[in-house]
Amino acid sequence: ETGVTQSPTHLIKTRGQQVTLRCSSQSGHNTVSWYQQALGQGPQFIFQYYREEENGRGNFPPRFSGLQFPNYSSELNVNALELDDSALYLCASSLARESYEQYFGPGTRLTVT
Amino acid sequence: DAKTTQPNSMESNEEEPVHLPCNHSTISGTDYIHWYRQLPSQGPEYVIHGLTSNVNNRMASLAIAEDRKSSTLILHRATLRDAAVYYCIRRPLFFGNEKLTFGTGTRLTIIP
Repeated sequence: ETGVTQSPTHLIKTRGQQVTLRCSSQSGHNTVSWYQQALGQGPQFIFQYYREEENGRGNFPPRFSGLQFPNYSSELNVNALELDDSALYLCASSLARESYEQYFGPGTRLTVT
Repeated sequence: DAKTTQPNSMESNEEEPVHLPCNHSTISGTDYIHWYRQLPSQGPEYVIHGLTSNVNNRMASLAIAEDRKSSTLILHRATLRDAAVYYCIRRPLFFGNEKLTFGTGTRLTIIP
């Protein structure tokens, strides 16, 4: 059983650019959640997808968007990058309505200059 | 927003028990208590969860106060690998809400 993987590991972008981060869920999991973790803070919920539909969103602007694919892999897209978007982006997969445990990937470190 | 209060940091000696407290005085009757930990340079990992009674698993024990306003995560014999940030999280009982609301957690340092 493979765990949650994310790519890339690190990324440097310039303010105003767009970025796509990818997540491969744990096998059989139908729900993926994305979190942003600023330095020294706990992860903050961005949004969640359940069976390819958005199923909850945190306090993030629309320039943060996502997709979940039929194989339950996922993307997080951020447009018009700002300096404050520099953070660790984590995805977590789970089997919704079956288990409370979420499995996190190692994250993608995004630096915006 | 679901609120818990934890000490910013704690230290413990290796091979001794560790008791990590969490205050959740406004908890509702339908909230579970979950604990996750985040090792350095890794994503958070699930530790344990409970509703009313004490819970044990291979990683830790969770002691929940009778009034459910506080709980304690117990690591029975700390190792260096247990050095991490520990998050106490309130989680609604009903399925379908997978959101986790993290605070700033407790940074646990293990002294060799």
